[in-house]
Amino acid sequence: DIQMTQSPSSLSASVGDRVTITCRASQGISDYLGWFQQKPGKAPKSLIYAASILQSGVPSRFSGSGSGTDFTLTITSLQPEDSATYYCQQYNSYPLTFGGGTKVEIK
Amino acid sequence: EVQLVESGGGLVQPGGSLRLSCAASGFIFSSYWMTWVRQAPGKGLEWVANIQEDGSAKFYVDSVKGRFTISRDNAKNSLYLQMNSLRAEDTAVYYCASLSCINRCSKVYFQQWGLGTLVTVSS
Repeated sequence: DIQMTQSPSSLSASVGDRVTITCRASQGISDYLGWFQQKPGKAPKSLIYAASILQSGVPSRFSGSGSGTDFTLTITSLQPEDSATYYCQQYNSYPLTFGGGTKVEIK
Repeated sequence: EVQLVESGGGLVQPGGSLRLSCAASGFIFSSYWMTWVRQAPGKGLEWVANIQEDGSAKFYVDSVKGRFTISRDNAKNSLYLQMNSLRAEDTAVYYCASLSCINRCSKVYFQQWGLGTLVTVSS
């Protein structure tokens, strides 16, 4: 199975800050990577697929990059509504696996 | 508007069974792979199973193989998860989601998610 490791596990940042979350795969997954946002008590929301393509309706302050084993999710100007837990997920091979999540809090 | 609405969750004793349903609307259900993902209380996301558009291909995480069965009824725009021999560690919110295909569906990525239904396995 491919293990997905996210860092940090949590972070606190101010409105307007640039925030970067990293995700590392235990083996190469090309760009078969998605990112998700989950707010407390709510269902996950798909943000990005193919490592860097924004899903419809996702604000442009979100961006993704990477290929192979190392990936990043960047929020260029953090907004209050971005407070959430973010997950990466590989779909290169079964079983599909998620990272452990990164909790983003607003200072 | 795409909508996925799960139902069928509840409290069940260890060893018992439960059937989850996911009603889809707002898109051509029969053209999409579908999936179940679960989230134990306070924990992260865990993929459970995928099913191809016509139900001919199914994939499962090892921990549910032989106990859970994913199925669909395209005439009813519905996805199902039959869960047998339930264990305490199956306690979770179960989400259905739609998937999009690339590379002739050798790879599938998540699109829309449902709201989830809670399954509690306890005596």
